[in-house]
Amino acid sequence: AQSVTQLDSQVPVFEEAPVELRCNYSSSVSVYLFWYVQYPNQGLQLLLKYLSGSTLVKGINGFEAEFNKSQTSFHLRKPSVHISDTAEYFCAVRLLTGGGNKLTFGTGTQLKVEL
Amino acid sequence: NAGVTQTPKFQVLKTGQSMTLQCAQDMNHNSMYWYRQDPGMGLRLIYYSASEGTTDKGEVPNGYNVSRLNKREFSLRLESAAPSQTSVYFCASSAMASNTEAFFGQGTRLTVV
Repeated sequence: AQSVTQLDSQVPVFEEAPVELRCNYSSSVSVYLFWYVQYPNQGLQLLLKYLSGSTLVKGINGFEAEFNKSQTSFHLRKPSVHISDTAEYFCAVRLLTGGGNKLTFGTGTQLKVEL
Repeated sequence: NAGVTQTPKFQVLKTGQSMTLQCAQDMNHNSMYWYRQDPGMGLRLIYYSASEGTTDKGEVPNGYNVSRLNKREFSLRLESAAPSQTSVYFCASSAMASNTEAFFGQGTRLTVV
């Protein structure tokens, strides 16, 4: 079975500073990787996804993530954060084949951007 | 552009009461999911339906039942609500291909007293 670990439950950062949100996954077979964002009192929306090809993936709102197969990681980065980036961020995996097409999520990282 | 619609948005139940959470999608997706979100635990899969006519248990199915009524609708039923089922419930849908994203509803905030 696949699993996702987000070690940082909260990450405080000052506005315009860079940020990295960590995600590690475990799976015996190949997976697709996703990052979702959840703004307060809303549902989740996709930030970016890694399917294949280039290991650096660019998403919306200036976010990017790098897939590292040897370290089974998919860390999310932004070079300069804004107050509006304050939200909860979830990493998720899905098996390439089988598994009922289900998404498995990490426990989330609360990003708090301060002035 | 409705996407995934969940009803109701808020609900308060007494212990032992039953209710059904409704979910409908208008994107012609094959797969649908029910998750619950609790602080510090992320989203945990309750049940999912990979395609119309099939349903399977997820990580935390106890106390819940589901019905895939048709391709558009996937409902979640609590037969006898318990305080431990106080949570925010999200419905999601996706196309059959595993490389596609899932789209989420706005959530149902359920409190069981």
